[in-house]
Amino acid sequence: QAVVTQEPSLTVSPGGTVTLTCASSTGPVTSGHFPYWFQQKPGQAPLTLIHETNKKHSWAPARFSGSLLGDKAALTLSGAQPEDEADYYCLISSGGARVFGGGTKLTVL
Amino acid sequence: DVQLVESGAGLVQPGGSLRLSCEASGFTFSDLFIDWVRQPPGKGLEWIGRSKDKAYNYGTEYAASLKGRFTISRDDSKNSLFLQMSSLQTEDTAVYYCAAIRGVFGFWGRGALVTVSS
Repeated sequence: QAVVTQEPSLTVSPGGTVTLTCASSTGPVTSGHFPYWFQQKPGQAPLTLIHETNKKHSWAPARFSGSLLGDKAALTLSGAQPEDEADYYCLISSGGARVFGGGTKLTVL
Repeated sequence: DVQLVESGAGLVQPGGSLRLSCEASGFTFSDLFIDWVRQPPGKGLEWIGRSKDKAYNYGTEYAASLKGRFTISRDDSKNSLFLQMSSLQTEDTAVYYCAAIRGVFGFWGRGALVTVSS
């Protein structure tokens, strides 16, 4: 089973841009891994932002976008807002199972 | 939208068993893939497994580390998915979520806390 790695923590200034990444121990992350991205705030259930690499759910703010960046899946936040401070998780499909990354704690400061 | 509500959580002793339920509404249940995900206190999300929909013969997939102790089943007549957990240990203490996260579906239940303690 793959181990999925994310940056443990990142900081972005209000209005700034930040990219979170998601890497797999088994090799490059591709569209065939169907990467998902979720946002989770304290005490709340996760919120699905991105499915299948770059498809945004209707409730996801326009400032979030998903992509593949080199060998990784990526979530880019352009124009960070204070309310974007949260934990972010990626999820990929690998070998007949799904695996979450360890999460990135994003601070807007 | 799909609404998901977990139930059956609570306190269980080490070595015990517990069955969680997830009731869905707002969509044809037999057309849903539904996942179970858990989150230990203060830690990250862990994928447990999922049930595929009727078109995929309700096949199931599991995380390798949990296969054998955790079993997923469903009852379409009750719009419900179940997670049977056995040989529970303290490290199984977590909030357990059911989620419909496939394709255009991105819905989560609110979660239910399972505490394994003597």
